[in-house]
This record gives sequence, C-alpha cells and structure tokens, in this order.
Amino acid sequence: EADIYQTPRYLVIGTGKKITLECSQTMGHDKMYWYQQDPGMELHLIHYSYGVNSTEKGDLSSESTVSRIRTEHFPLTLESARPSHTSQYLCASTPMGGGHNNEQFFGPGTRLTVL
Amino acid sequence: AQTVTQSQPEMSVQEAETVTLSCTYDTSENNYYLFWYKQPPSRQMILVIRQEAYKQQNATENRFSVNFQKAAKSFSLKISDSQLGDTAMYFCAFMMRGTSYGKLTFGQGTILTVHP
Repeated sequence: EADIYQTPRYLVIGTGKKITLECSQTMGHDKMYWYQQDPGMELHLIHYSYGVNSTEKGDLSSESTVSRIRTEHFPLTLESARPSHTSQYLCASTPMGGGHNNEQFFGPGTRLTVL
Repeated sequence: AQTVTQSQPEMSVQEAETVTLSCTYDTSENNYYLFWYKQPPSRQMILVIRQEAYKQQNATENRFSVNFQKAAKSFSLKISDSQLGDTAMYFCAFMMRGTSYGKLTFGQGTILTVHP
C-alpha cells in the first residue's frame, strides 16, 4: 500500500465545531490533492497543491481550507462544521512529473459525520 | 470540460468468470490518459490499469485488460478469472496530458461483487 496516511479515519462531531483532517505522505511527492466523496458516489476534487506554499481550489466548491507548509503534510480545515459537510474526504499525492504511471496514490480516507 | 460516465451502478459475477465494466468519456482533447481505479470496502483506492490515448494497443495487467476505442470515446475494463478479492467499487478516470496539476475526473463508479 502507498505511504499516505489520514487521521482520523472516522469523526463524528457536532455542528459549529472546528475540525482539521490530517494528511501526510512519506514519498516526497510535490503534488497533493483533497477529494470529497459521498457514499457510493464519484470523487470530486476540492483542493490541490503543487508544493510548499501552493494551494488551489478544485472543481467542487468547498467551505474548507487547506495549507501546505511542509511537503509531506496537507491538512484540511473546516472552521465551523455543518451537517452538509458530512462525507468522506480522500487525500492523494503524486510526484511532480507524474511518476511512471501518472498514478495518484490515495490515503484511506476520513469519514466525517456532522450532527 | 471533460466528463466520465459509468452506466452500470452495480455488477456481479461468479468467481473464475469474466466481467466487463463500461466507461465512456467526453473530451475535445487529443492527448490524455485513462485510468481504472479500484476502491475495496474500507480500504485505500489503488490504480488497476492505465491507458495513454496516443497508444493504440490496449493495456493489460495480468487478469485486467481494457478495450480502448478512441473514436467512440469508450474505455471498458475486462476482468478475467474473477476472484473474491476483486469485489470493490471501480472508478474510471480521465486526465489531460500536459496539465500542470494532473487533475483526475472520475466517473460515478461501478460496484462489483464477485460471488463464490
């Protein structure tokens, strides 16, 4: 399996709380991504980063924010969680040149439930 | 904008038999990659197979092969000798070649169940 980690794996939290979803990779990849996936549905890109101090919004509008202070770390933050944020969040990474296969390596995901 | 469509929400197959998952896409681009990713229950998404649009030869990876029809914009996945461990959600995905951030556009997914 790929060396990309997400914590927590599961999170149940009340409305209005601030949360941070952690994503770390030990492969030295420059590009990192956050996807949102509702159960049984496709993945939608919400944020991506080319490298340190680079962050961009993806195709799906999201109230979350991200930061990239270190190459290996790409946390996602929700300042005030709402039930509409309930979803699975997947982190992925790939080398700058795309590597051998242009493959994105995925973390195990965080399943977030906001009550 | 690119779109990817998987018209089979669910499929099932008996162990050791062959199954084909369908995928169509829409793009005006000529240079791109197509992927099949596998998402097993409660496990990480992994790459199954990749196809470069400029290559006419269909990609194969052991029991997995694709039927890439560029003119028809079709990219189906064939799984031969299905195994219980193939049970997963399968996503077809598109990536434009040469883009700086390597954006993947996913289809809706197909849940495949392999029965013993």
